Amino acid sequence: EVQLLEAGGNLVQPGGSLRLSCAASGFTFSSYAMTWVRQAPGKGLEWISVISDIGGGTYYADSVKGRFTISRDNSKNMLYLQMNSLSAEDTAVYYCTQRLMSFDYWGQGTLVTVSS
Amino acid sequence: DIVMTQTPLSSPVTLGQPASISCRSSQSLVHSDGNTYLSWLQQRPGQPPRLLIYKISNRFSGVPDRFSGSGAGTDFTLKISRVEAEDVGVYYCLQTTQFPYTFGQGTKLEIK
Repeated sequence: EVQLLEAGGNLVQPGGSLRLSCAASGFTFSSYAMTWVRQAPGKGLEWISVISDIGGGTYYADSVKGRFTISRDNSKNMLYLQMNSLSAEDTAVYYCTQRLMSFDYWGQGTLVTVSS
Repeated sequence: DIVMTQTPLSSPVTLGQPASISCRSSQSLVHSDGNTYLSWLQQRPGQPPRLLIYKISNRFSGVPDRFSGSGAGTDFTLKISRVEAEDVGVYYCLQTTQFPYTFGQGTKLEIK
């Protein structure tokens, strides 16, 4: 059974940083691209980043480019999102997803709140 | 960026009756490899999204056959043949043909 478990969400001040993680199990992690998607409170879904299976290719939405960095450690079956220069607009639940056919499997999400 | 526009934004449906949601993209979703990367996802209240349909019409693992997808180019439709109580939630279309990947605004399906 595919399982994705996000962690690291927290309350952070504007301008601050946070690192999210996603622990993957139930599939061969190193064979799949992975993505991060976020959902602001009461709002729709926004794709923010994708990383290829071996980590050589990364892409970002313009809203986070230059501030967020996606990475992975295939030896630990872990996906990461380093978030810098956070603002109130980054407040959201952040989901990691397995990417093959589409966004195939989703974690339960982790809440990031940016507020002073 | 490709803009995905869903209609309606809200759909009250009677249990056992069909439902239909449309999604229109601002440009063709046909990829250079010949595939069309249009998906549909369901988000039940308080739950993460769940993949229903990929590449226009392919049901994902475990998805009931009352869900079907159709369309081509820029116009796509998700149909539920007979709505059940568990289908309540928000439905999103998603394009992964071109970066940045983009979602529709979401359509809220509720029971009359």
